[in-house]
Amino acid sequence: GENVEQHPSTLSVQEGDSAVIKCTYSDSASNYFPWYKQELGKGPQLIIDIRSNVGEKKDQRIAVTLNKTAKHFSLHITETQPEDSAVYFCAASMGISGGYNKLIFGAGTRLAVHP
Amino acid sequence: NAGVTQTPKFQVLKTGQSMTLQCAQDMNHNSMYWYRQDPGMGLRLIYYSASEGTTDKGEVPNGYNVSRLNKREFSLRLESAAPSQTSVYFCASSEGGPEQFFGPGTRLTVL
Repeated sequence: GENVEQHPSTLSVQEGDSAVIKCTYSDSASNYFPWYKQELGKGPQLIIDIRSNVGEKKDQRIAVTLNKTAKHFSLHITETQPEDSAVYFCAASMGISGGYNKLIFGAGTRLAVHP
Repeated sequence: NAGVTQTPKFQVLKTGQSMTLQCAQDMNHNSMYWYRQDPGMGLRLIYYSASEGTTDKGEVPNGYNVSRLNKREFSLRLESAAPSQTSVYFCASSEGGPEQFFGPGTRLTVL
């Protein structure tokens, strides 16, 4: 079955620096790759996603890149701010099958942005 | 729109006790999911309901049961709680596309 590995498990940056989190997936049939941000005591919130027919997607300070050949995708946060501090999860999906969208999650990256 | 709501927020049980975690969504989504989150393991799917009236097992269903009460509500029941079920439980919903929207979670401790 699908397996998603996420690195690093913790990341500490200075405010204003960039942060990069990387994920690899095992199943080449995966075609949807979301990123979730989880703040302390809250549920995961979808922040950006990318589909397999796209190589890069940007939304203000965040961007996601996808390399289908290498089966890895990355989250890039530029000009980090203290409010970016959270746990970030990547996930992979082969889409809807039998009415069910199966998301396989990475283990998470705890990002700390220091003022 | 409240989105996905879960009750309770916190719960402490003794081994062998039972309880039901409640989830409701007001987005008119067809599909609903229950996940558990454990340190260093991401989120793992317990059960899902593709549509009202249907439920199916996910990755880690043992020790749990679910009920899709109607289109809005999806409950998770622990019949005889065990310390291994200490976790944070999240409910999610989706409609049409693969995007899933999560509730705030229930933190459960089993002593």
